[in-house]
Amino acid sequence: QKEVEQNSGPLSVPEGAIASLNCTYSDRVSQSFFWYRQYSGKSPELIMSIYSNGDKEDGRFTAQLNKASQYVSLLIRDSQPSDSATYLCAAGNMYSGGGADGLTFGKGTHLIIQP
Amino acid sequence: SAVISQKPSRDICQRGTSLTIQCQVDSQVTMMFWYRQQPGQSLTLIATANQGSEATYESGFVIDKFPISRPNLTFSTLTVSNMSPEDSSIYLCSVDTGGILYFGPGTRLLVL
Repeated sequence: QKEVEQNSGPLSVPEGAIASLNCTYSDRVSQSFFWYRQYSGKSPELIMSIYSNGDKEDGRFTAQLNKASQYVSLLIRDSQPSDSATYLCAAGNMYSGGGADGLTFGKGTHLIIQP
Repeated sequence: SAVISQKPSRDICQRGTSLTIQCQVDSQVTMMFWYRQQPGQSLTLIATANQGSEATYESGFVIDKFPISRPNLTFSTLTVSNMSPEDSSIYLCSVDTGGILYFGPGTRLLVL
C-alpha cells in the first residue's frame, strides 16, 4: 500500500516568514514528486514538481527531495496571506500521472499565513 | 497545460439515483483520470480512462458503481450509480500532460 504522509496542521506562519511543509512517502520506487496548492472550494493546482535529489527553486518556492530518506519538502519564502491554503504532496511512478497507478496524494497540510 | 471543464459543477441527489459527470479537455490527451475527494480527505484515484479501451479501476472501486466512458481523446464521463450518502464527495477529472497532472474544477455531489 503506497502512502504519502503529511502533517495536517494547521501550520501558522507570520507574513514574510518562511513556511516549511514536509512530506514522507513509503514507495521506494517513486520517481516523481509534486506539490499542489488547493484553496478552499477549489481544485488542486500544481506548484512544483521535482524528480532528482536536491533543491529546485521557482520564484518564492523551493522543493527539496531526499530519496534516501524518502522525504520531500516545500519551502515558501516571504509568505503572503494569499499563500494560505492546503498543500498536497503527491508521489508517482516514473510516468507521474500516467500508468495504472496514478499519483498517491497525502492528506495535505493546512497553511495559514498571519498578516 | 490543459484547460479542463466539468459538468455539473454541483448537484444534490436522492439516494438510489445515478449522476453522470462530464469532463471536457481543450486538447487531445491519452490518459484521463477520475479522482474523489471526500470531506477532509485527500484525493483518491477512482480509475484511469484511456480512449478505446476499458477503464482501469483502483482497489475498492468497481465498474458497476462507477461506469466510465471515454469516447474520444477530449471527453470522458463518470457515472456514480445507485448513490448513497457515502458517495457525497468532490469528483475531479484530471489529465496527464507531459507527465504533469492537471485537474478540472470538480463536481460537488451531495447525496441525501
